[in-house]
Amino acid sequence: GAVVSQHPSWVICKSGTSVKIECRSLDFQATTMFWYRQFPKQSLMLMATSNEGSKATYEQGVEKDKFLINHASLTLSTLTVTSAHPEDSSFYICSARTGTSGTDTQYFGPGTRLTVL
Amino acid sequence: QKEVEQNSGPLSVPEGAIASLNCTYSDRGSQSFFWYRQYSGKSPELIMSIYSNGDKEDGRFTAQLNKASQYVSLLIRDSQPSDSATYLCAVSFGNEKLTFGTGTRLTIIP
Repeated sequence: GAVVSQHPSWVICKSGTSVKIECRSLDFQATTMFWYRQFPKQSLMLMATSNEGSKATYEQGVEKDKFLINHASLTLSTLTVTSAHPEDSSFYICSARTGTSGTDTQYFGPGTRLTVL
Repeated sequence: QKEVEQNSGPLSVPEGAIASLNCTYSDRGSQSFFWYRQYSGKSPELIMSIYSNGDKEDGRFTAQLNKASQYVSLLIRDSQPSDSATYLCAVSFGNEKLTFGTGTRLTIIP
């Protein structure tokens, strides 16, 4: 199957700092990538959909100025959590779709655990 | 609003038995259906995809789709302790994003 990587796998930062998370599709080109957040014992929550070369589409309630998404190439998308606060501590997971159709499969990265002190 | 519903469980199944996981969806036009497995503290991994009515088998896993009843299920035969995880059902229409259910927590009892 297709492989998606994320870096870093975990990060601890101080309140007020910014954190960048990278998501890469290693063996396929991903026109569309997705960013999710998951709190303990809760389901996945889609934050935004990222299309290569265009602005990300954010879900309702997600602050676009706080969660900056860049999808500069077909294999790389980044999520920057700006001015992070303890309530931003969560498990952030990206996924990449193998094509442009909903029938194409989404593969998930291993996730990044963010802890904001 | 499109919804995907799953029984949150926990569902407990003896080792070696068949585990049956169910999912219903609200959008009759949904076209693509996926089952993901998520271990605690890990990200989801794809188990199976299904697009047409009927059964699709892959090893110990069988996905069943009934579009008329808006129902998709996953059967796990010869359940193993390593199958203990949360199983997520996901549905999409056209090229839209996936809509996930809240997941069913499965525990295989040795």
